[in-house]
Amino acid sequence: EVQLVESGGGLVQPGGSLRLSCAASKFIFIDYGMNWVRQAPGKGLEWVSYINSGSTSIYYAASVKGRFTISRDNAKNSLFLQMNSLRDEDTAVYYCATDGGRGTVARDWGQGTLVTVSS
Amino acid sequence: QSVLTQPPSVSVAPGQKVTISCSGSSSNLGSDYASWYQHVPGTAPKLLIYENNKRPSGIPDRFSGSKSGTSATLGITGLQTGDEADYYCGTWDRGLSAYVFGTGTRVTVL
Repeated sequence: EVQLVESGGGLVQPGGSLRLSCAASKFIFIDYGMNWVRQAPGKGLEWVSYINSGSTSIYYAASVKGRFTISRDNAKNSLFLQMNSLRDEDTAVYYCATDGGRGTVARDWGQGTLVTVSS
Repeated sequence: QSVLTQPPSVSVAPGQKVTISCSGSSSNLGSDYASWYQHVPGTAPKLLIYENNKRPSGIPDRFSGSKSGTSATLGITGLQTGDEADYYCGTWDRGLSAYVFGTGTRVTVL
């Protein structure tokens, strides 16, 4: 069974930075593209970013482009999200997920990590 | 603002059937497959349907999906209290070069 474990969430002030990590196990990580998806309090699911297996294709939601950077370390089976210039509206639970391709945003999901942006 | 529109909520009696619509455009559902997700607040979301109508292993056949043109539909039969959750459609939008989710539908089993 695929395991995805996010970490790195916490409380940060507006304008601050945070780096999320996602440890992947029990599947061949290098075979899969990966996504970050978030859910703000009281809101729906929002896709954040995608990276393909070789880190050659990367996409971002308009709401985070220029502030967030997705990356991965295939040798360490890990996915990352560097978040800079954080805003109140970035407060959310952040999930990492395996990309399913063909319109499937996320096949397997982690349990999520909470990011709170507040002064 | 999501580019995929769903009804905000539906309520059904136990054992009954429900259908949830997802309306998009030519740049998203009109040009790629639909997927559906179940999210019980406080837990990880779950993939229910992929490539319009396929179920991952472990998802019961009470859940079904279909797509026609720029709209997709999720069907759930034999509603149980355990099916109470938020349901989202999703797909790739080639105009935005982004994945998109629907606005979400809260299913309540009365």
